[in-house]
Amino acid sequence: DIQMTQSPASLSASLGETISIECRASEDIYSNLAWYQQKSGKSPQLLIYAANRLQDGVPSRFSGSGSGTQYSLKISGMQPEDEGDYFCLQGSKFPWTFGGGTKLELK
Amino acid sequence: EVQLVESGGGLVQPGRSMKLSCAASGFTFSNYGMAWVRQAPTKGLEWVATISYDGSSTYYRDSVKGRFTISRDNAKSTLYLQMNSLRSEDTATYYCTRVEDWELFYWYFDFWGPGTMVTVSS
Repeated sequence: DIQMTQSPASLSASLGETISIECRASEDIYSNLAWYQQKSGKSPQLLIYAANRLQDGVPSRFSGSGSGTQYSLKISGMQPEDEGDYFCLQGSKFPWTFGGGTKLELK
Repeated sequence: EVQLVESGGGLVQPGRSMKLSCAASGFTFSNYGMAWVRQAPTKGLEWVATISYDGSSTYYRDSVKGRFTISRDNAKSTLYLQMNSLRSEDTATYYCTRVEDWELFYWYFDFWGPGTMVTVSS
């Protein structure tokens, strides 16, 4: 199985701060990576797919990058509504696997 | 507007069975693969099973293979998950998700239902 190692596990950011979350795959996943935001008590929402493509309706302050085994999600200017849990997903090979998650809080 | 609504969760004893349903609307259900993803309380996300748009192909994680069956009724726009021989470790919120395959290469879940809680306990 492809292991997805996500870091950091938690993060506290100030309003307007730029932050990054990383996901490292145990093997090459050929940019077959998506990022999700999950707010408390809600289902996950798709932010980014194919490593760097912004899902319709997602604010442009979210961006994704990476290739091979290393990927990152950047939020350029933290907003209060960005608080929540963030997960990466690899869709390259079954079983599809998620990163362990990053809890993002507003400082 | 894409809508996915799960039903059928609840409390079940270990070793018993339960069937989840997911009613889909707002898109042409028969054009999309579908999947179930679960999340144990305060834990991360775990892919469970995927079914192709026409039901001809199914995929499962090892821990549910032989116990769970994913199926679909395209005439009713409904996805199912039959869960047999349930274990305490199957306790989780189960999400119905739509599978997108951008350029037939990049696979991900683009829409999720609100989830249904399954608790396996005596």
